[in-house]
Amino acid sequence: KAGVTQTPRYLIKTRGQQVTLSCSPISGHRSVSWYQQTPGQGLQFLFEYFSETQRNKGNFPGRFSGRQFSNSRSEMNVSTLELGDSALYLCASSQDRGTPYEQYFGPGTRLTVT
Amino acid sequence: GEDVEQSLFLSVREGDSSVINCTYTDSSSTYLYWYKQEPGAGLQLLTYIFSNMDMKQDQRLTVLLNKKDKHLSLRIADTQTGDSAIYFCAESPYNFNKFYFGSGTKLNVKP
Repeated sequence: KAGVTQTPRYLIKTRGQQVTLSCSPISGHRSVSWYQQTPGQGLQFLFEYFSETQRNKGNFPGRFSGRQFSNSRSEMNVSTLELGDSALYLCASSQDRGTPYEQYFGPGTRLTVT
Repeated sequence: GEDVEQSLFLSVREGDSSVINCTYTDSSSTYLYWYKQEPGAGLQLLTYIFSNMDMKQDQRLTVLLNKKDKHLSLRIADTQTGDSAIYFCAESPYNFNKFYFGSGTKLNVKP
């Protein structure tokens, strides 16, 4: 079974621009979560999507948004990029059939904002 | 929100046991996880334990939970150089697919 894939793997953007990252979950997994990983803040939960609906949300500004498609693929968007948005963005998928929620992570997208 | 804390670094010699520690704050029923991250890769789930358990063993890995002190540890027996990575402790409230991660412990295994 193929793992979680994320595209692109690396991205360089300029302050003020917007960016869209993509995540394809493991086949059969209906839940997709997004995390931001930085050296200073560690791994922080952004949001979780299930059945095309945002089910859980972390404490990030509205510039961070996401969506999920009917095939469970998910995208996250960051508008008006700031230097502090430079990070590794990780996507994780899970089956969502009862607890515990075993999340399987993709390799991440490394975003650099200049 | 929940607060999960870990020490930042641990260095051991190959063949020794490694013990990575974590503390958490959530007082309700929760699952506690250990993940491993190798350079340039995502996180790999190693094991998990429910908050009403004391211990779980899985091959070279032993998880110990002290519920009173909210202290979790991961013991790796016979540590190998391939175990060098960052280890994350995470907590997820029961029935919520929302994870809170510690800052990660970088394990360095010296040959």
